[in-house]
Amino acid sequence: EAGVAQSPRYKIIEKRQSVAFWCNPISGHATLYWYQQILGQGPKLLIQFQNNGVVDDSQLPKDRFSAERLKGVDSTLKIQPAKLEDSAVYLCASSLGGPSSYNEQFFGPGTRLTVL
Amino acid sequence: KNQVEQSPQSLIILEGKNCTLQCNYTVSPFSNLRWYKQDTGRGPVSLTIMTFSENTKSNGRYTATLDADTKQSSLHITASQLSDSASYICVVPNNNDMRFGAGTRLTVKP
Repeated sequence: EAGVAQSPRYKIIEKRQSVAFWCNPISGHATLYWYQQILGQGPKLLIQFQNNGVVDDSQLPKDRFSAERLKGVDSTLKIQPAKLEDSAVYLCASSLGGPSSYNEQFFGPGTRLTVL
Repeated sequence: KNQVEQSPQSLIILEGKNCTLQCNYTVSPFSNLRWYKQDTGRGPVSLTIMTFSENTKSNGRYTATLDADTKQSSLHITASQLSDSASYICVVPNNNDMRFGAGTRLTVKP
């Protein structure tokens, strides 16, 4: 089966600019996650969707970050305006069920964002 | 509370040697614990998922152990290969949130 797809793979922008990332999960996976991974750290959950509804966005900086999964399939994550500290790898993952189930979570390759 | 801590932070071993990575967690209630391997520039890949009742689980040269009483897990790598060089991340779900450890960076040298 095809894995989780993400684009772009790399993005370099200047601070205060806007950027958007796209994720296409594995077909049939109801749960979709966006993570931020700063160099040398483990991933940090930004937002979790169950189909097209938000399950958890408690760690999403809502003043500048937004995400949507309108049709319950692919998803976009946007940053507007970007700050230097947003430089990180943004990982998308999907699974059949939620974290408390035993469903495996599959990760995409990530988008490496550099904010200058 | 509800944290995942890993040790060591980094580890260098020679090819062919064994090593053990540690994970301590305080997440409660506990449902399962996962080990992931993350190669540089790639997303994490699942190695194993362990439930409360499982003490040991193997995946090739990787063997994970779980002690739910002491809230500790270990990942043992046997006969290491150069391709084992990666970060190994321990993850414990907390309700709808996945709690990630910071990872152990393993370098296998020839």
